[in-house]
Parts: sequence; C-alpha cells; structure tokens
Amino acid sequence: NAGVTQTPKFQVLKTGQSMTLQCAQDMNHEYMSWYRQDPGMGLRLIHYSVGAGITDQGEVPNGYNVSRSTTEDFPLRLLSAAPSQTSVYFCASSNPTGPGGKNIQYFGAGTRLSVL
Amino acid sequence: SQKIEQNSEALNIQEGKTATLTCNYTNYSPAYLQWYRQDPGRGPVFLLLIRENEKEKRKERLKVTFDTTLKQSLFHITASQPADSATYLCALAAGSSNTGKLIFGQGTTLQVKP
Repeated sequence: NAGVTQTPKFQVLKTGQSMTLQCAQDMNHEYMSWYRQDPGMGLRLIHYSVGAGITDQGEVPNGYNVSRSTTEDFPLRLLSAAPSQTSVYFCASSNPTGPGGKNIQYFGAGTRLSVL
Repeated sequence: SQKIEQNSEALNIQEGKTATLTCNYTNYSPAYLQWYRQDPGRGPVFLLLIRENEKEKRKERLKVTFDTTLKQSLFHITASQPADSATYLCALAAGSSNTGKLIFGQGTTLQVKP
C-alpha cells in the first residue's frame, strides 16, 4: 500500500492563479482531511470529509474548495491564490472503526506551496 | 473559545534522561487524545491514543497520561535518544468523536543531545 499520496510536492504560484492539490489514499478509509501548517500555528483543519459526497468546513476554510466524488480522492482547490495561502498542506485519511479506531490520522508527505 | 496549547519553546535534554511534554486544553470534553511525531519535511505519524477513562497508556519507552480534571495530557519519553529528536503534536477530537474532526496543538520540538 502507498498510503496517502499528495501531489505536487512543491508549487509556486502567482497571486490570483488557481490550482488543485491532489490527495489519494489506497486504504479504503472513510474519512479524509486537509490541514495547513504554518510556523508556530500547528496544523489547522481546512476541510474534511466523512465519506464520498460529504464534505464540511474546518477551522480555516476560506479561499479553499473541496469535493469528494470517490472514497480514494479528496482534491483541494485554491480558486484565486493569495500570499496568505503560502503554507505546507497536509492531507490525511482515517478509518474511525478500524484497528485502533478513534480516527487515527494517516498523513501524506505534504505539499509546500508558495504564493508570490 | 476552544484551545489546545503545547509548550512552544523547544525542549533540550541530555541523552538518557526522561523528556516530558505537556498538552493543555480548554473548553473541550474530548473522548480521547492522540499524540503524533513529526520529523522535518514529513507528515505527522501517529504514536499513541488515550481515552478519557484511561489515566495512563504505555508503548515501549513512551508513556502518556490524561487528566480530564486538569484538562492536561503529559507525554513522556524515557531513556531518550538522539533519534527521538522531532516535533511532537497532541490532538483532540472536536465535537463528536465520529465527525472525523481533529484539532491539533502547535507542537513542541524536542532535541536530545548525545
């Protein structure tokens, strides 16, 4: 199993450009989440999904869109990038009823995004 | 408002000593608490989970305590090694434990010196 795969690993955007951060998992996990990590701020939840077709907002959803058409994929879209969105983005998946249960998160390696 | 706080200052200790990291929270009644390890340039990796009805959990050299009265969890690494150097994050379920929603602390960086 590859686990959680994020692409791209690095990206530089100009202000106003749009892009999609890809996230795929091959563990058949129901739950998927997007976080951003900034120095001194820890991981902040952007959007999450408890299953295909179901998404909800996290702590910092503004400027980001998500959709979940399949169990495996959970892309994060930046519609009009701003310098404040410069960050490291992590995707995670979890199975709340799996071994160990209780929503243990499996993280991808991250996407490092710079918006100029 | 709901908050999770970890000591933002780096913790520097000598090899062989016990490292103790703190996670405090306010305005939560979490059903469980998790601890993760994050190495530079990588995603966090799950270490331990402790439920609200458990006082203590152990895994090899790791020990976690959970005091729901003090609203605090302590994370201990005994006989620390330079390889334990990393950032450690605590996380709580926000709202119902079935929402898939976790709130993370900002993390504490541990440096173990040989």
